[in-house]
Parts: sequence; structure tokens; C-alpha cells
Amino acid sequence: NAGVTQTPKFQVLKTGQSMTLQCAQDMNHEYMSWYRQDPGMGLRLIHYSVGAGITDQGEVPNGYNVSRSTTEDFPLRLLSAAPSQTSVYFCASSYGDSSTDTQYFGPGTRLTVL
Amino acid sequence: GQSLEQPSEVTAVEGAIVQMNCTYQTSGFYGLSWYQQHDGGAPTFLSYNALDGLEETGRFSSFLSRSDSYGYLLLQELQMKDSASYFCAVKISSGSARQLTFGSGTQLTVLP
Repeated sequence: NAGVTQTPKFQVLKTGQSMTLQCAQDMNHEYMSWYRQDPGMGLRLIHYSVGAGITDQGEVPNGYNVSRSTTEDFPLRLLSAAPSQTSVYFCASSYGDSSTDTQYFGPGTRLTVL
Repeated sequence: GQSLEQPSEVTAVEGAIVQMNCTYQTSGFYGLSWYQQHDGGAPTFLSYNALDGLEETGRFSSFLSRSDSYGYLLLQELQMKDSASYFCAVKISSGSARQLTFGSGTQLTVLP
């Protein structure tokens, strides 16, 4: 199993550009989520999905869109990049949302917006 | 809302024992988790407490007191490779599913 994979690993954007961060998992997990991590801080939830076709907002959803057309993939779209979106983005998945379900994180995408 | 408080930094020497605390304020509490993150890496799961008491996994132990809204992670026989950030996280119910909310993390530095 590859686990949770993310592409790209690094990305530099100019203000106003749009892009999609890719996330895929091969563990047949229903629950997937996107977090951002700013320097010296914890992870903040952007969006999450409890299964194909179902998404919901987390703590910091503004400026981001998600969709979940398959169980495996959960892309994150930046609509119009802003310098405040410079961060490290982590995708995570778990079997469910129960407290005992361990979240598995991808390696992250390091995004810089100029 | 919910909040988690962790000390920002802890330093200890190789072979010692270190305790990292976490206090939380949240509604709909389902349990306290701990994650480890090395510099430049992804968070990885360490332990989980749903009930009061101590859970032990090798050199790592985690404790929870629900009445005090408090938990800690205990690392024994510290090794250099334990230098990392340690995050506590609580699972809360919001929206269509339960979500993990993370503290800001404790940076552990292990000295030789």
C-alpha cells in the first residue's frame, strides 16, 4: 500500500493564480480531510469528507474548494491564491470518524504564494 | 468553541523521562489523541485515550483525566530520535462528522 499520497511536494504561485492540490489513498478509507499548518502552529482543518459525494467545511474553509467523486481521491482547489495561503498542506484519511480511527497523513505540499 | 493548550518547548537529556501536558476546553469530547511530527515530516499517530487513566505503548505512555480536562504524554528512556513536535488533539462533533482539533504542539529537544 502506498498509503496517502500528495502531489506536488512543493509549489510556488503568484497572487491570483489557481491550482489544485492532489490527494489519493489506497486504503479504502471513507473519511478524508485537508489541514493546513503554519509555522510553529498546529494543524487546522480546512475541509473534510465522510465519503464519495459528501463534503463539509472545517475551521478555515474560505478560499478553498473540495470535491469527492471517488473514495480514493480528495483534491483541494485554491480558487485565487493569496499570500495568506502560504502554508504546508496535509491530507489525511481514516477508516471512519470514530475516536478510535487513526488518521494517516500524507507527506504534505509546501505552498508559497508570492 | 474549543481550545487546547500545550507548552511550546521542552528540553531534556538522552535517557531521561519527559512529560508533555495538554489541557483542553471543548464540548462533545470523544477522546484525546497524540501525534508526533518530525521537522519537515507528516504527523504520525502515537496514542489515544478515551477513558481516564494511563495507556502504555513501549516507551510512550499517555494519561487522561476527563474531570480535569487534562492529559499528558510521557516519554521514557529518551533518545535523540525523539526530538520532534508533539501535538495533542481532541475529536469533537461538528457538521456531518467528528473532527480532530489540534493543539499548537510542544517542541521536544533531546540533548546528548
